[in-house]
Amino acid sequence: GDSVTQMEGPVTLSEEAFLTINCTYTATGYPSLFWYVQYPGEGLQLLLKATKADDKGSNKGFEATYRKETTSFHLEKGSVQVSDSAVYFCAAGSARQLTFGSGTQLTVLP
Amino acid sequence: GAVVSQHPSRVICKSGTSVKIECRSLDFQATTMFWYRQFPKQSLMLMATSNEGSKATYEQGVEKDKFLINHASLTLSTLTVTSAHPEDSSFYICSARGDRLRDELFFGSGTQLSVL
Repeated sequence: GDSVTQMEGPVTLSEEAFLTINCTYTATGYPSLFWYVQYPGEGLQLLLKATKADDKGSNKGFEATYRKETTSFHLEKGSVQVSDSAVYFCAAGSARQLTFGSGTQLTVLP
Repeated sequence: GAVVSQHPSRVICKSGTSVKIECRSLDFQATTMFWYRQFPKQSLMLMATSNEGSKATYEQGVEKDKFLINHASLTLSTLTVTSAHPEDSSFYICSARGDRLRDELFFGSGTQLSVL
């Protein structure tokens, strides 16, 4: 089955720092790739997604590019804010069945 | 966006009792709901998939009689942990997929179950 390996946390950054959270996947076929974010006390929210190779998903300053050759979907943001503090989950598959990474806790300090 | 309400957010119970967790789609009809379990610092693991009006499909290794899932309406699915034991302590999360937004999953806020 599919598997997703995600950079372990926690990650602590200062405000305005550059963020990268690595994510690689193994899958049969060509899954869609997703990043979800979970703020404290809330459910997971879809942050961005990409459905085919070389697609770039972007939202709220976050970006990730579907790299088929490296089977990766790394999450990046050029300048993080305190409000970005949350747990980030990488996932592969479709809405019918998703496989999640273990989550990365991000803390952004003012 | 669509909202999924999960209740309760936290529950503590004695060993041997049963606990029911509710997952409601508030502003859309959820044709499919999913139940996950998450251990600390680990992935969300899919437990079962439920379609409205039919029996749930359980993942390998998940005990059907231990984790009872009912999806009786298009807006409500319930997970009942029967005869709970300390090893059932975990974070349980539901998600829902609607008719119109079929490519996106909407998640509940999760339930932390602690069995004493």
